[in-house]
Parts: sequence; structure tokens; C-alpha cells
Amino acid sequence: AQKVTQAQTEISVVEKEDVTLDCVYETRDTTYYLFWYKQPPSGELVFLIRRNSFDEQNEISGRYSWNFQKSTSSFNFTITASQVVDSAVYFCALSEAGGGADGLTFGKGTHLIIQP
Amino acid sequence: DAGVIQSPRHEVTEMGQEVTLRCKPISGHDYLFWYRQTMMRGLELLIYFNNNVPIDDSGMPEDRFSAKMPNASFSTLKIQPSEPRDSAVYFCASSSPSLGLAGADTQYFGPGTRLTVL
Repeated sequence: AQKVTQAQTEISVVEKEDVTLDCVYETRDTTYYLFWYKQPPSGELVFLIRRNSFDEQNEISGRYSWNFQKSTSSFNFTITASQVVDSAVYFCALSEAGGGADGLTFGKGTHLIIQP
Repeated sequence: DAGVIQSPRHEVTEMGQEVTLRCKPISGHDYLFWYRQTMMRGLELLIYFNNNVPIDDSGMPEDRFSAKMPNASFSTLKIQPSEPRDSAVYFCASSSPSLGLAGADTQYFGPGTRLTVL
């Protein structure tokens, strides 16, 4: 069975601070896909990144970066120089198929609050 | 391009009534997913379709829930009869892994339908 754990229920930081959201996953498959989604206060789910199990390269997109470590089954997400607009609930998710051809297993989410 | 479209955005109904939620996937996407989000259980998969055929409905909570996809551009999730514990946000998502294009394996979500059963 697959499982995603986001141990941090809520994180509050002051604007411009760096913040890391943790994600630990469990799967018996050697091929799997990991995702991060953002859910702002308006409620929609916004795709941020997809990573397959064969690609452990870290990725950077502007102020966002992701650290994938198979050795610790973690896929952590860092926001550098946080902004108030980053306030949202962030979900980590896992798929043992392509991600597009199977349902996603979501973590419980981390509520990130960026204070001005 | 239009994203996934869901209607209604909000639904308030009374216990025992039938509720129908609607979803229009992104054009060309051949996978469609229904998820439910509650405070207690988080985001959970209910059912998904490939080329209009249900593939896995193991997440459907009970017989009161049913889903159909009569064509590639429309799906419904029906609850009959509805109960207060069905109150949740219901999301529809679509993807197109068969296209083999970059990003095709990603599920794109609609805005959700917030259902309140009184």
C-alpha cells in the first residue's frame, strides 16, 4: 500500500524567510511518481511539480525548489524568500503508475502561513 | 485553453435529496478522476475513468454514490440519497498520459464543487 506523510500540519513564518515543507512517502514499487499541489484560500488545486522515481535531480523554479532523496523516501519542498501570496495549503502526492493513469494518494497537507 | 469545468460550484441540499455533480474534462484528455476532500479524511480518490470506462471505483464510499461518463467530454457523480456526512468538496481532474507529451501525466483539477447536506 502506498502512503504519503506530511508531518507538519501548519507552519507560520514571517515574509522573506525561507521555509521547507516535508514529505515522506511509502511505496513497494520501484517506479512511482511524486507531485506537489498548492491549494490557495480560493480552494482550487494548482499543480506545481511532478517527479518520477528515476530522476533524483533537484529542481528549482524561481523561488521554489524540490529535493528528492530516494534513500530517505523524501520529496521536500523549499520556498526561498517567502511572500504573503505563498500562503496556502500544500499537498504532496504519490502515484505508482504514471500519475496520469492512476489515482493520486495525497498527504494531509501542510498549511503555510506567511505573515507580513 | 479551458481547464476542467465543474458545476455547480456550490450546492446546498437537504438530507435524502438526490445530488448530481458535473464535470467537463480538458479537451483531448482520456482519463477522468473524481476526488473528495474533507477535513477528517483529506483528499481521497473516489473513482476514475479511461476512455469513458470506469477503471477503479474502489474509493466510492457506498452504493448511494454512482458515477458515469457517457462521453469524452462529460461525467457525473450522483449521490442518492444524500446524507450530512457527504458534505465535502468534490474535485474532478483529467489527464492524458496516452499522448506521451511532456506534462501529459499530470492531473489537472477543476475548481471543485462544495456540497453541503443539511
